[in-house]
Amino acid sequence: EVQLVESGGGLVQPGRSLKLSCAASGFTFSNYGMHWIRQAPTKGLEWVASISPSGGSTYYRDSVKGRFTISRDNAKSTLYLQMDSLRSEDTATYYCATDYYSSFAYWGQGTLVTVSS
Amino acid sequence: DIQMTQSPASLSASLGETISIECRASEDIYSNLAWYQQKSGKSPQLLIYAANRLQDGVPSRFSGSGSGTQYSLKISGMQPEDEGDYFCLQGSKFPLTFGSGTKLEIK
Repeated sequence: EVQLVESGGGLVQPGRSLKLSCAASGFTFSNYGMHWIRQAPTKGLEWVASISPSGGSTYYRDSVKGRFTISRDNAKSTLYLQMDSLRSEDTATYYCATDYYSSFAYWGQGTLVTVSS
Repeated sequence: DIQMTQSPASLSASLGETISIECRASEDIYSNLAWYQQKSGKSPQLLIYAANRLQDGVPSRFSGSGSGTQYSLKISGMQPEDEGDYFCLQGSKFPLTFGSGTKLEIK
């Protein structure tokens, strides 16, 4: 059974950093591209970043480019999102998800990030 | 960026009714279109990928169709457990973009 478990969310002040983790199990992690998607409270879904199976290619939405870094450790079956210079508009539940035919097949339960002073 | 225009924003359906939700892309997305269901407080669940392929475990009353810029999700026979929010996603080009969502309720 595919399982994705996010962690690392919490309350953080504007301008500070936070690192999210997504522990994967139940599939061969190193074979799949991975994504981070977020959802602000009572809002729609927003793609944040993606990474190729090897980690050699990464993609970001413009609003996080230069502030967020997606990475992975295939030996640990873990995906990461390093978030720097956080802003109030980054407040959201962050989900990790597996890539499948240009869609997000399996999602974690999400971790809430609140950026506030 | 590819804009995904989803309609309607909300929908109320009777049990057993057949409903459709539409997504229109601002450019050709070559069937790289997925549909998701999200229930309150839960993660989204993949229903349809590649425009018309049913994800494993999803009831056959869900179906997807379309090509080019126009896509639709059909639920043939509304069930109580189908209440929730529905989103489309284009996976053709970065940045990947979602539709704004459809809230589906039982009438």
